[in-house]
Amino acid sequence: GAVVSQHPSWVICKSGTSVKIECRSLDFQATTMFWYRQFPKQSLMLMATSNEGSKATYEQGVEKDKFLINHASLTLSTLTVTSAHPEDSSFYICSAHTGTGGHQPQHFGDGTRLSIL
Amino acid sequence: GQNIDQPTEMTATEGAIVQINCTYQTSGFNGLFWYQQHAGEAPTFLSYNVLDGLEEKGRFSSFLSRSKGYSYLLLKELQMKDSASYLCAPMDSNYQLIWGAGTKLIIKP
Repeated sequence: GAVVSQHPSWVICKSGTSVKIECRSLDFQATTMFWYRQFPKQSLMLMATSNEGSKATYEQGVEKDKFLINHASLTLSTLTVTSAHPEDSSFYICSAHTGTGGHQPQHFGDGTRLSIL
Repeated sequence: GQNIDQPTEMTATEGAIVQINCTYQTSGFNGLFWYQQHAGEAPTFLSYNVLDGLEEKGRFSSFLSRSKGYSYLLLKELQMKDSASYLCAPMDSNYQLIWGAGTKLIIKP
């Protein structure tokens, strides 16, 4: 149980392109999902907390107009990187709680490796 | 502020036992998670401690001392596939996980 599916796994595209990443909870409902970014040999950086049916909560320094998050259902959240540039190249990972309580572990998708040329 | 202190890298031998220590400071505390992350992959959940003491799960055990702000992950009967980074992630009063850079564990034959 507690499977989180993330798609696509890899994206290579030209600068200026917008890229959408999907995160799905396959066997549970996720009221809250999280979006992280990780640069090589660095720690996970929380970008935003995505809440079903409401606006995402962005961490300080993360541009909400550049990283659009939509959490339209209890099993799907999407992250759109708009007008991506080479500095946006990174490993993007989503996660979800299995329950409504904070003491539940976050289960991660497999991540999306984004390379902007 | 909030911070986590773990060794950057450790080396151990296949079949042996290794203990990865973690000290933390957080604004409030709602438990501590350990995750395993292989290179180029997403983290996978290993264990959760919210009360003091030892939690055992197969070859992996995790210990917590809340008064000392200290936890460790104990890995027994090490296998080559255990080569990975191990992330200690305490949860603060807002139920946010605090992430450090983790400990890279290298297993040698």
